[in-house]
Amino acid sequence: DAKTTQPPSMDCAEGRAANLPCNHSTISGNEYVYWYRQIHSQGPQYIIHGLKNNETNEMASLIITEDRKSSTLILPHATLRDTAVYYCIALGTGGYNKLIFGAGTRLAVHP
Amino acid sequence: DGGITQSPKYLFRKEGQNVTLSCEQNLNHDAMYWYRQDPGQGLRLIYYSQIVNDFQKGDIAEGYSVSREKKESFPLTVTSAQKNPTAFYLCASKVDRGPGELFFGEGSRLTVL
Repeated sequence: DAKTTQPPSMDCAEGRAANLPCNHSTISGNEYVYWYRQIHSQGPQYIIHGLKNNETNEMASLIITEDRKSSTLILPHATLRDTAVYYCIALGTGGYNKLIFGAGTRLAVHP
Repeated sequence: DGGITQSPKYLFRKEGQNVTLSCEQNLNHDAMYWYRQDPGQGLRLIYYSQIVNDFQKGDIAEGYSVSREKKESFPLTVTSAQKNPTAFYLCASKVDRGPGELFFGEGSRLTVL
């Protein structure tokens, strides 16, 4: 499965959009990009996933570049409750049973 | 409501003792996983199971054991052979086909005294 690279930390003002980047330059054609987040001392929570096309749900939007080597998770109107560690993972169809979480990006939303 | 239940939430153990962490899911998921998380770090896979009566070692299986006698249950035993067992343990499950989300429990925090 492709390795992903994320910045260790980011800040965002409450009410503004939070744009979290992820680099997955070695991603292969059948690997999906998944995003999860973890609020302190809780289990991670699924946010969104995509393969090629941009995706949107009630929580966030996922923008994947045309060459699929990077993606951006967008929280359109960040709130204080969005403060968490965000994990970007690239996973192929044969590897659904081995989701591996790296260190992620620690997002701090401030008033 | 459907979900994953881990127990206990907090557990203290003396060195040399085995301890078993419970994980139960009522989501009818085939695949279940155990992860370990140390402070400030990501999750590392201990064991996973794709089907009843079958399980596979993850990246850090030494000192741990599991069983999968029922679809709903995937208990993890932290044995005395695990050199540094103090950690946050997370159980997860997933429908074992196609892309989709991993559902996590709330975790069990084990402290070895």
